[in-house]
Order: sequence, then structure tokens, then C-alpha cells
Amino acid sequence: DAGVIQSPRHEVTEMGQEVTLRCKPISGHDYLFWYRQTMMRGLELLIYFNNNVPIDDSGMPEDRFSAKMPNASFSTLKIQPSEPRDSAVYFCASSYSGTVPSEQYFGPGTRLTVT
Amino acid sequence: KQEVTQIPAALSVPEGENLVLNCSFTDSAIYNLQWFRQDPGKGLTSLLLIQSSQREQTSGRLNASLDKSSGRSTLYIAASQPGDSATYLCAASSETSGSRLTFGEGTQLTVNP
Repeated sequence: DAGVIQSPRHEVTEMGQEVTLRCKPISGHDYLFWYRQTMMRGLELLIYFNNNVPIDDSGMPEDRFSAKMPNASFSTLKIQPSEPRDSAVYFCASSYSGTVPSEQYFGPGTRLTVT
Repeated sequence: KQEVTQIPAALSVPEGENLVLNCSFTDSAIYNLQWFRQDPGKGLTSLLLIQSSQREQTSGRLNASLDKSSGRSTLYIAASQPGDSATYLCAASSETSGSRLTFGEGTQLTVNP
């Protein structure tokens, strides 16, 4: 398997623009997680899905952030409008379900810069 | 709410030394604890996963232990090599947080040749 795939790998945009980040989880995994990493705050969970349904979005910072998972092989994280403080590395991760949470596998991340 | 702490924040050792990285967590009702490695500008690579029913896991030169009663986990690296230089993160999932992982801030390891 190719692992978790994220695109784009780098994104530079101007304040106020819409940004869409994409993720393809590992085939067969039914959990998908979106994280954000910054120097100041470390790694933060933004939202996670199980079987394409959002389970916990308490980490989504503001209404400017939204995430969707239209099918088992694709998810998007959208920021509209973007602000300089959204600059960070955004990671997607996936895992499969069992009786207890299993190992999470991370994608390479999208480095977002908002100017 | 689960909180995870890693000490030290940075560690520099000579090549060949055995070393221990520490991770502590506040909620002992954990499902599992996962150790990751992150190289600069890269994603996270999973190293070891310890389920709550386990005491330790081993992979090559790495050994991770889990002590729920004291809220601690350690990652032991034997015979360190320069290629081990990276940031090591631990993360815990607990009964109160479900599949949600709570991460520590990481230990930045430098192994000097």
C-alpha cells in the first residue's frame, strides 16, 4: 500500500483565500484524523471520522474550518477565509477499528503558509 | 482530560550510547500508547504501539515499556546511531478520549558521530 497520501505538499496563499487540503487514507482503514502542527502548540487533533462520519470536531478552531469525507477513500479540510495564523503543517492519519483504537499511520503533511 | 509530557525536551548523546526517553500521562485509563519518530520537515513514523494490557514492545534496537499505575512509558534505544537523530513523540489514547490521540511535545534527539 502507498500509505496515507496528502496533497498538496506545500501551499502558499494570501490571506482571505480559500484553501483545500486533501487526504487519501490507507485502503481498509475506517478512521481518518486531521491534525495541525505548529511550533507554539505542537500537534493538535482537529477532527476525526469513523466510517466517513465525523465523530469529534471539538478541535476545529473556528467556523472558518470545515472537513468532509464523502467516501472511504477521500477527505478534505477546507479553510475559508484563510488567515496568517493558520500557517502550519496539516497532517492526515488513518487507522482501522478493532476492540480498541489501533495504530495510526500519518501522511507526509501539507505545509501551509498564509501571507 | 489526558495530558502527556515528555522529558527531556532535547538530548544529545555520543554514538553507541544506550538511552532512555521518558513519557508521562495523567489519565491511567489508557487504551494504548504509541511512539513516533519525526524527521525535520517530514511526517510521523510509527515506531511502537503498546496496548494497555501489555508491559512492553520491542522492535530491533527499540524497546518501549508501559506502567499504567505510575502513568509512565519509556522508549529505550540501544547502541544509538547518528541515523537515530530525530524528534520522538509519544501519544496516548484513553477511555475518556476514545480514538483521539493526545501527543507530548516531543524529545529532540541528536546522536553525535
